Amino acid sequence: DVKVTQSSRYLVKRTGEKVFLECVQDMDHENMFWYRQDPGLGLRLIYFSYDVKMKEKGDIPEGYSVSREKKERFSLILESASTNQTSMYLCASRGLAGDPADTQYFGPGTRLTVL
Amino acid sequence: GENVEQHPSTLSVQEGDSAVIKCTYSDSASNYFPWYKQELGKGPQLIIDIRSNVGEKKDQRIAVTLNKTAKHFSLHITETQPEDSAVYFCAASRGWGKLQFGAGTQVVVTP
Repeated sequence: DVKVTQSSRYLVKRTGEKVFLECVQDMDHENMFWYRQDPGLGLRLIYFSYDVKMKEKGDIPEGYSVSREKKERFSLILESASTNQTSMYLCASRGLAGDPADTQYFGPGTRLTVL
Repeated sequence: GENVEQHPSTLSVQEGDSAVIKCTYSDSASNYFPWYKQELGKGPQLIIDIRSNVGEKKDQRIAVTLNKTAKHFSLHITETQPEDSAVYFCAASRGWGKLQFGAGTQVVVTP
């Protein structure tokens, strides 16, 4: 069974704090993704990584950065948290076996509140 | 880039009835269309997907149809049960590209 875990289910931070969200997958997947989920907007891609040390901006990268030093781990960083970053954050991973694509497996999400 | 529209945003059905959710996409090169179910407090989970070389796929009470000409695809749930209550997302992608998600449909199945 594919497992994607996220470091926290709930997180409360103050404006201006540096926030780290961690994601770990156990399937040796090459691709990893960070999304944020807001009501009525669906899932929007923040950043993704095709492989270790590789990263690409998604649709809404402003205010975020990422790090992928090991294949199984993908971190999302909020350098200076703001109230408009209050949201549900979802991590996903994907292997490269499918044709034309393989499915993405999601973690349980981290609900971040910035006060 | 790809744009996916999903309707309706909420759907209330009686237990035992069918539910249909429709999505349209804009990029004619998209060739992978998954559907995800998200239960309260959990991450989205893939329930069915379809690739552009087929027009229909079925898995027990769930089916997906794809009309490439019209650029739309639909999720059909038959004989709905209370455990089908959740938020459903459609998505589309081209090859190994990014998934573009619809806004989601809240399905409520009433006993």
